Amino acid sequence: TQLLEQSPQFLSIQEGENLTVYCNSSSVFSSLQWYRQEPGEGPVLLVTVVTGGEVKKLKRLTFQFGDARKDSSLHITAAQPGDTGLYLCAGVAASGTYKYIFGTGTRLKVLA
Amino acid sequence: DAGVTQSPTHLIKTRGQQVTLRCSPKSGHDTVSWYQQALGQGPQFIFQYYEEEERQRGNFPDRFSGHQFPNYSSELNVNALLLGDSALYLCASSTGQPRETQYFGPGTRLLVL
Repeated sequence: TQLLEQSPQFLSIQEGENLTVYCNSSSVFSSLQWYRQEPGEGPVLLVTVVTGGEVKKLKRLTFQFGDARKDSSLHITAAQPGDTGLYLCAGVAASGTYKYIFGTGTRLKVLA
Repeated sequence: DAGVTQSPTHLIKTRGQQVTLRCSPKSGHDTVSWYQQALGQGPQFIFQYYEEEERQRGNFPDRFSGHQFPNYSSELNVNALLLGDSALYLCASSTGQPRETQYFGPGTRLLVL
């Protein structure tokens, strides 16, 4: 069974602080996505990474795909209250499946 | 361009009943996937429909079934509801290629009493 484990599970920080969320697996993924989800809503796509070692930036968010395509990280610089939400990573296995595996989620709260 | 839409937004059922949830994919998408998200957890893959056929299935019992129509919209049916079926049910659409991005709808919140 393929698993994506995220850490930390919960994070409460002050506005302006930096943070990193990790998404790890023992399996190789052909692509990996990061989503943010607000309570009662569907996940909203932030980024897709497909190449080992790839780094993508989205304003204050930096995403990295591990060289071996087994792990990924999300770094937020100078967090703001609007960054509050559930962050989810999701991967498609390299074996050609159509099934997305979701991580356990990281719930972030940024205090003003 | 409308995104993924789902109906209803909320639903309350009692144990043993049956429920049907509906999803319309994003324009240009022909593939629909369904997920179950329990409170505080990540979504769990139920199944995916492509060309009106179930293409892949997750670890869910046969009580969970689906259908895809010629216009690519889809339904999720759950029979003999259990209390544990209470969750947010999410629909996601894509173009069907293995690494294509999925776009999610707002979900249907199902409560089983």
